[in-house]
Amino acid sequence: GAGVSQSPRYKVAKRGQDVALRCDPISGHVSLFWYQQALGQGPEFLTYFQNEAQLDKSGLPSDRFFAERPEGSVSTLKIQRTQQEDSAVYLCASNPTGPSPLHFGNGTRLTVT
Amino acid sequence: AQTVTQSQPEMSVQEAETVTLSCTYDTSESDYYLFWYKQPPSRQMILVIRQEAYKQQNATENRFSVNFQKAAKSFSLKISDSQLGDAAMYFCAYRSPPSNQFYFGTGTSLTVIP
Repeated sequence: GAGVSQSPRYKVAKRGQDVALRCDPISGHVSLFWYQQALGQGPEFLTYFQNEAQLDKSGLPSDRFFAERPEGSVSTLKIQRTQQEDSAVYLCASNPTGPSPLHFGNGTRLTVT
Repeated sequence: AQTVTQSQPEMSVQEAETVTLSCTYDTSESDYYLFWYKQPPSRQMILVIRQEAYKQQNATENRFSVNFQKAAKSFSLKISDSQLGDAAMYFCAYRSPPSNQFYFGTGTSLTVIP
């Protein structure tokens, strides 16, 4: 595709529900990142993939958060038993490799009620 | 871990004037990359400009330029001839080559006054 695509754009979940957020990176991009952005804040790192390998998941806030990229392209961020503090914009970004800048999607705004 | 600091939560500029957004960072690495991203209300982060630490020359992209002071670990963004479309959140970012990890500041909200 022409850019990084994220879906859904908006998601409202009741506390305790599970959600799955999808990211379709730019074709051929090796690296894929997930970030969490609270209102008025900068993006906070969650996890990073190189192809299908999850190289860094140190930013995942709890074991309720899980990410996968099984075939090295599309990635899914899953949040189990959502809590109100999970409400944020979740940004996905990709880059080819090396010193290339990140290309971001439009993000998914998650609201937990 | 590297940290990126943007000390100006909000800035405003008159249309057609010049504004400078500040960014400092902390690192022990000698080779790294710095970026400025713009985030309009649509939420999509858009690359504005990038700077390689090994290059002494400051990067320039049309109306956007940086003042990179490696010793001071400072990376400010200058926007000349500000336009209404420049209004957005601006984030400074640091890339660590060994880990390919990107670190972002907390952002500066820029308002352009007509």
